[in-house]
Amino acid sequence: SAVISQKPSRDICQRGTSLTIQCQVDSQVTMMFWYRQQPGQSLTLIATANQGSEATYESGFVIDKFPISRPNLTFSTLTVSNMSPEDSSIYLCSAETGSGSEAFFGQGTRLTVV
Amino acid sequence: AQSVTQPDIHITVSEGASLELRCNYSYGATPYLFWYVQSPGQGLQLLLKYFSGDTLVQGIKGFEAEFKRSQSSFNLRKPSVHWSDAAEYFCAVGALSGSARQLTFGSGTQLTVLP
Repeated sequence: SAVISQKPSRDICQRGTSLTIQCQVDSQVTMMFWYRQQPGQSLTLIATANQGSEATYESGFVIDKFPISRPNLTFSTLTVSNMSPEDSSIYLCSAETGSGSEAFFGQGTRLTVV
Repeated sequence: AQSVTQPDIHITVSEGASLELRCNYSYGATPYLFWYVQSPGQGLQLLLKYFSGDTLVQGIKGFEAEFKRSQSSFNLRKPSVHWSDAAEYFCAVGALSGSARQLTFGSGTQLTVLP
């Protein structure tokens, strides 16, 4: 199994600013993912964070808005850039330990943009 | 592309009653299927998963789910609900994309448990 810690757990930010969310896993994992959960909605995959290469973004998400870093096998960051109220969501980090395994989730970062 | 439908947005049951949450999926190959639970302010916790083999899978907290290929369904069941089961439940299908498995989630079912 894997334990995932996300920081911050919540934040209130001014529009136009940026917030970086950190995701730390207690063991080395192959794949890490970032999801967005808008109020009252399900989870939508933003991107897959690849170690040593650029993240792979899903349709509707771009690197300029959501830059991602994955410097090693246990850590990743997601930045929400130039925020607007529409970015108010819960952002969740997920990790998979290997092909065929389950995905583990962090507790999420609740972001409110005012 | 894969998709997941959870037709029930909100279900209310009395404590001790049985529970069934519905999930239908669309995927062109044999799916990996998951049920997650999300309590308020928490991340997602895996209840159970189906990869292959026995179509009736047992999970944590007394939950089980049955994979029915002919109906493209993976319904979650519990014989006797406890008040602590009140939460949001998400069904998900995992599809391989390159070397990674991406999860597509359903819209969720909010469970309320009456005393």
